[in-house]
Amino acid sequence: AQRVTQPEKLLSVFKGAPVELKCNYSYSGSPELFWYVQYSRQRLQLLLRHISRESIKGFTADLNKGETSFHLKKPFAQEEDSAMYYCALWRVNNAGNMLTFGGGTRLMVKP
Amino acid sequence: ETGVTQSPTHLIKTRGQQVTLRCSSQSGHNTVSWYQQALGQGPQFIFQYYREEENGRGNFPPRFSGLQFPNYSSELNVNALELDDSALYLCASSLDEELYYGYTFGSGTRLTVV
Repeated sequence: AQRVTQPEKLLSVFKGAPVELKCNYSYSGSPELFWYVQYSRQRLQLLLRHISRESIKGFTADLNKGETSFHLKKPFAQEEDSAMYYCALWRVNNAGNMLTFGGGTRLMVKP
Repeated sequence: ETGVTQSPTHLIKTRGQQVTLRCSSQSGHNTVSWYQQALGQGPQFIFQYYREEENGRGNFPPRFSGLQFPNYSSELNVNALELDDSALYLCASSLDEELYYGYTFGSGTRLTVV
């Protein structure tokens, strides 16, 4: 079954420290993966997608098919990075096209 | 207006009642999806509509139904409400040919069933 796992509910770091938000997936096909972010009192919004290999707000994520992971990384955390982060897997099957989300990780960046 | 708008923002219903949640998709987006987000969990896919027809459904019972209209608006209807239906309901829209470039999400409707 397709599944996305974010093992950490909460990650707390100090400003300037490196950040790695973990995401593991299980999927029988070729995965299309995303990171979504939700800042306080704002809507869920796309942060980045692996297909475009982009860096947004200093964040990057590399797809590792061998380890079935898509961890989100940033070398130097900023206070404004504090938010909920969701890893999501794009699925296409008989049930339609859909995103399967992980449970989310709350990132807290302390001053 | 650009973006995805949902109404109402908050709603309280009694168990057994019926509820209709509304979504206005981003202009030109012909695909709309609905997600349920329970407290402390990630969003779960309910169903998707493309050009006014349901073209995908998650693991939700038939009492969850929807409609999509030609003006890019859509509805989520839930009959016979249960306490476990209390959640944030998110609407997301996209262009079909850009589906996996990501959705545009609305702010959600928080439904409380008492």
